[in-house]
Amino acid sequence: GESVGLHLPTLSVQEGDNSIINCAYSNSASDYFIWYKQESGKGPQFIIDIRSNMDKRQGQRVTVLLNKTVKHLSLQIAATQPGDSAVYFCAENHRRDDKIIFGKGTRLHILP
Amino acid sequence: SQTIHQWPATLVQPVGSPLSLECTVEGTSNPNLYWYRQAAGRGLQLLFYSVGIGQISSEVPQNLSASRPQDRQFILSSKKLLLSDSGFYLCAWSGSGAAAETQYFGPGTRLLVL
Repeated sequence: GESVGLHLPTLSVQEGDNSIINCAYSNSASDYFIWYKQESGKGPQFIIDIRSNMDKRQGQRVTVLLNKTVKHLSLQIAATQPGDSAVYFCAENHRRDDKIIFGKGTRLHILP
Repeated sequence: SQTIHQWPATLVQPVGSPLSLECTVEGTSNPNLYWYRQAAGRGLQLLFYSVGIGQISSEVPQNLSASRPQDRQFILSSKKLLLSDSGFYLCAWSGSGAAAETQYFGPGTRLLVL
């Protein structure tokens, strides 16, 4: 999509604070959503997912919130650590579609 | 458990030279396979995907091609590289059918065309 050509926005967070990364998705028919973490020079890594019949899901130090009314997805990271420094991508998928649609990504920068 | 491999990890090639990047998946059968390209500081661009041996779908017209000679092998090729082909190439796999929801990525190949 067009977002592949855009520079990534950056979120700077103090170490120990909570981080909130936001994503607007495009397809109101999407029913499955994923957050990926990509560290420098590596492939994206699956973090957490959520289905459209849920509005919140928690993992270890991470929480994903889904607001279908406004097509908004967020990733919350508790007590941000230096190892959380990465680019975070949201992705959406429609049931039985072979492709997923990636968001533009957000770079999380941790301040000491 | 499933693992995905890509090689080489890094490649420097002159303009006009051919290209072959390989991706293999272990621990699963009949996966969907995907090739993405990522420019520095940019998002992910889907290039090709395959739902089975010999079945290739192209997302973006370009001088690259893909092949799937075996169930768990996916190859990205070019006959003549362009400067604009430089980037980070990622292979991914997913299950098939309803399990195609989540993709898992390989470590990537960084290509520099000079």
